[in-house]
Amino acid sequence: DTAVSQTPKYLVTQMGNDKSIKCEQNLGHDTMYWYKQDSKKFLKIMFSYNNKELIINETVPNRFSPKSPDKAHLNLHINSLELGDSAVYFCASSRQGSYEQYFGPGTRLTVT
Amino acid sequence: AQRVTQPEKLLSVFKGAPVELKCNYSYSGSPELFWYVQYSRQRLQLLLRHISRESIKGFTADLNKGETSFHLKKPFAQEEDSAMYYCALNNAGNMLTFGGGTRLMVKP
Repeated sequence: DTAVSQTPKYLVTQMGNDKSIKCEQNLGHDTMYWYKQDSKKFLKIMFSYNNKELIINETVPNRFSPKSPDKAHLNLHINSLELGDSAVYFCASSRQGSYEQYFGPGTRLTVT
Repeated sequence: AQRVTQPEKLLSVFKGAPVELKCNYSYSGSPELFWYVQYSRQRLQLLLRHISRESIKGFTADLNKGETSFHLKKPFAQEEDSAMYYCALNNAGNMLTFGGGTRLMVKP
């Protein structure tokens, strides 16, 4: 029944590694998003993606890339992980034309 | 550029006291504003949006374009209201810009 799910819930890895976080929504939504929440709880949009376009927040390093195998999934790939990438990453989705976004439970990434 | 500011990182009140969580925004277009809430160990969820002008869990928020504010109010706080509250603005690209969040603590 989970509307927006993310795996894994926790991810601990070393600097320099490449990792992925998966996101799936079963709401039939058209648009999916990735957000980063830092240690001070500040929440920032990273990407917005639907089947037509990808919108990237210009502050996001190109080490981060979203990959969407189908409309229900938007995975986040991170290359060459850095200490500053440690954060909680939230996936979200929304129906086209609706401003309400449904959030996943978050993935806590720790880079050591 | 759009910006959302929540000046208080932490707001602590006693149960039954009135609550006002402040939110100010800057946006050149016609804003769509929201309040999202994150209870402990739960996911972020929509609390209310300015366009619906409704009261959810006793909370209301009025958009004041003159003051560019969208403060969240509740006349009598409850302990279960303790959570992290985020004010958010939606741009034309359907991407939300969040404020820094305010942690509300309601003491018994």
